[in-house]
Amino acid sequence: AQSVTQLDSQVPVFEEAPVELRCNYSSSVSVYLFWYVQYPNQGLQLLLKYLSGSTLVKGINGFEAEFNKSQTSFHLRKPSVHISDTAEYFCAVRGIQGAQKLVFGQGTRLTINP
Amino acid sequence: GAGVSQTPSNKVTEKGKYVELRCDPISGHTALYWYRQSLGQGPEFLIYFQGTGAADDSGLPNDRFFAVRPEGSVSTLKIQRTERGDSAVYLCASSLDRGPEEKLFFGSGTQLSVL
Repeated sequence: AQSVTQLDSQVPVFEEAPVELRCNYSSSVSVYLFWYVQYPNQGLQLLLKYLSGSTLVKGINGFEAEFNKSQTSFHLRKPSVHISDTAEYFCAVRGIQGAQKLVFGQGTRLTINP
Repeated sequence: GAGVSQTPSNKVTEKGKYVELRCDPISGHTALYWYRQSLGQGPEFLIYFQGTGAADDSGLPNDRFFAVRPEGSVSTLKIQRTERGDSAVYLCASSLDRGPEEKLFFGSGTQLSVL
């Protein structure tokens, strides 16, 4: 079984500032890792994913995340945020084998202030 | 349509009533998932279909919840004897199911309110 903890429920930042959204996971097996974004009144969209290989993965809209196996973390970063990045962000994991289901964290609400 | 379609977008019902929530996946997607998102929480897995069959229904909370996908495309989530605790956004997602690299496409959800 897997679990995901997003350490911050809300993160307010100023426009053009850098941001990091934290995600830690727990699993007894190897996992794939994902970040999804949910804009107001829209469905969840995949930002980026880590399956294997380089631990630094780049996604859409200038976001990137780094997989740290020893710290069981997959933190999401962006060097300079824009007003349009205001949304809810969800970290998720899936076991490499077995069940297809994603296990999501509680979400982090990112608010960008002008 | 271009994406996953869920109807209705909002459903208000009274405690004890029966409801059906519909999901139209992207054409050709063999995998279909239902998730439930309570206020302030992340989505929680309910059930996963491969084609017409439920490959994993371990997330259904009890026997009041049931889902079908008779022709391998449209799916219906059915909730009997609704309770106030069933109030949530019910999300549907689909994919080509060729492996973990396959992108999951989510619908906008059905907001269920049980009064």
